[in-house]
Amino acid sequence: EIVLTQSPGTLSLSPGERATLSCRASQSVGKNFLAWYQQKPGQAPRLLIYGASSRATGIPDRFSGSGSETDFTLTISRLEPEDFAVYYCQQYASSPITFGQGTRLEIK
Amino acid sequence: DVQLVESGGGLVQPGGSLRLSCVASGFSFSTYYMAWVRQAPGKGLEWVANIKQDGSQKYYVDSVKGRFTISRDNAKNSMYLQMNSLRVEDTAVYYCAGGRGWLIDTWGQGTLVTASS
Repeated sequence: EIVLTQSPGTLSLSPGERATLSCRASQSVGKNFLAWYQQKPGQAPRLLIYGASSRATGIPDRFSGSGSETDFTLTISRLEPEDFAVYYCQQYASSPITFGQGTRLEIK
Repeated sequence: DVQLVESGGGLVQPGGSLRLSCVASGFSFSTYYMAWVRQAPGKGLEWVANIKQDGSQKYYVDSVKGRFTISRDNAKNSMYLQMNSLRVEDTAVYYCAGGRGWLIDTWGQGTLVTASS
């Protein structure tokens, strides 16, 4: 099983600032089968990034993903008020599909 | 609009059974890999099971193997999760989800399952 570890657990920033979220895998995620999701309270998750760096349909370009093998990053270039939420990384390279424990992005 | 709608959640005693259903609309259901993902109260996301487009391959997280069964009926644009021998730790919101491969790009709004005496 591929274990994903996200850091930090909580990130406190202000609107307009840059956010950098990390996801580390316990073994290589082949062909970069790594996705990022955003979840707001009471809502289902929403796909942001897939293939480590491709934005999903309708996702603003302030969201970007990077990384390979075992180290991945989600960057939000300039935070908007609606970006404060919980973010999860997920690997879909092998079964069982696994998620990181999440990073909570909160308003400072 | 692409939509997944879950039903069948509720309160059940430990050891009991429930059957969740998911109905899809707005996309070609038979071309989608489908999955169930759950989220315990205040916790993170946990993938539970998925099923190939034609139902020929199914995968489960270890904690539900032998207790849960995933299935689908493409003629009805529907997916199911039969949950037997429920445990307190199975308490969660269960999301119906899908995508063209193992990547999940579509989610339902979830249905709450509570296993409690």
